[in-house]
Amino acid sequence: DQQVKQNSPSLSVQEGRISILNCDYTNSMFDYFLWYKKYPAEGPTFLISISSIKDKNEDGRFTVFLNKSAKHLSLHIVPSQPGDSAVYFCAASNSGYALNFGKGTSLLVTP
Amino acid sequence: NAGVMQNPRHLVRRRGQEARLRCSPMKGHSHVYWYRQLPEEGLKFMVYLQKENIIDESGMPKERFSAEFPKEGPSILRIQQVVRGDSAAYFCASSPRGGPYQETQYFGPGTRLLVL
Repeated sequence: DQQVKQNSPSLSVQEGRISILNCDYTNSMFDYFLWYKKYPAEGPTFLISISSIKDKNEDGRFTVFLNKSAKHLSLHIVPSQPGDSAVYFCAASNSGYALNFGKGTSLLVTP
Repeated sequence: NAGVMQNPRHLVRRRGQEARLRCSPMKGHSHVYWYRQLPEEGLKFMVYLQKENIIDESGMPKERFSAEFPKEGPSILRIQQVVRGDSAAYFCASSPRGGPYQETQYFGPGTRLLVL
């Protein structure tokens, strides 16, 4: 019962270009969505979040878009940098309770 | 300002032994969550605790697993009589408030459990 899905296991992007990571969810009760970045052998690091009352949130090079009718969100990284290479997890929750994670997308930014 | 701390970072146990994983939340955070990550998988929720209370344990296996968050000291995830299938990375997260607020959870570095 995977309620959060990241259908692209991997993505390769050239340095300086835009990286777009996608996420779909099935549970309409989710009202808070987060993106985490994870390096091997480390814990997930919080990147950016969005409440269901918004459709866009921006923080520096990172922007998250939420389309509630499609139950879809995306993370845009502009411009992409080699240090952005990591696994990105999408997560969703119902107001402060358990986070439901996707399986992650491995992003590789090449010089 | 220290982040979420977990220890040990690596733990090796033989089948049938007990594993104790500890988590100290960020300063000012009173809500703790435990997650497990199996190889090639996302993180799966296990349990959500507040000081001295278990709020949601719907993700915990029914047997051998228990968790506590006492009034003083770290949160403990305890696995009794470990089996090879318990080998995974166990992550703790904390937040200043929990449900019903939209709070960001901040994660520790994890404990990697290997059962021989």
